[in-house]
Amino acid sequence: QVQLVESGGGVVQPGRSLRLSCAASGFPFNTYTMHWVRQAPGKGLEWVAVIGYDGSNKFYADSVMGRFTISRDDSKNTLYLQTNSLRGDDTAVYYCVREHSDYGGWPLGSWGQGTLVTVSS
Amino acid sequence: IVMTQSPATLSVSPGGRGTLSCRASQSVSVNLAWYQQKPGQAPRLLIYGAVTRATGTPARFSGERSGTEFTLTISSLQSEDFAFYYCQQYKNWPWTFGQGTKVEI
Repeated sequence: QVQLVESGGGVVQPGRSLRLSCAASGFPFNTYTMHWVRQAPGKGLEWVAVIGYDGSNKFYADSVMGRFTISRDDSKNTLYLQTNSLRGDDTAVYYCVREHSDYGGWPLGSWGQGTLVTVSS
Repeated sequence: IVMTQSPATLSVSPGGRGTLSCRASQSVSVNLAWYQQKPGQAPRLLIYGAVTRATGTPARFSGERSGTEFTLTISSLQSEDFAFYYCQQYKNWPWTFGQGTKVEI
């Protein structure tokens, strides 16, 4: 079955960096477009970033453009989110999400359980 | 694209009917999905393509579209349906969610 396991969250000071990882299993990782979605405590869902199944297309939310970088390593079945220049409003649970079906253009089908990033001095 | 959900909170009796609305600020065609989220859990895809139930979504959930107006209807609310519901457009980048509707008893 599809499994997405995020790691790398924690408490970090403003201005610092964290790299989030998502280990995927149970499906052909290299044929799926992957996303990061976040949710601040007690708030709604915010889409963060996407990387195409072949790694050629990447898009970001305006709120993280220029600070966050999404990447993937298909040899390790792993998705990454490099988060730089972190701010207090980046505090959230970060979900790794696989699209509903392969080769792009589908909604968010399978979600990990999330990793919490807390930005605080 | 701004997605606007209403109401913020919907109070329904078990067995009752619940109607949730979502409006897009511009056309998203049928590229609209609904998600359910329970406290402490990740969201779950319910409906995509505005009207298609995802695998495992009970038939009491249905989606409709009229232009840029979308509706999620729960025909007979069960105890497990009390949760948050989010609409989301996947037509244009950046993808955007509505602010959510809480369905409560």
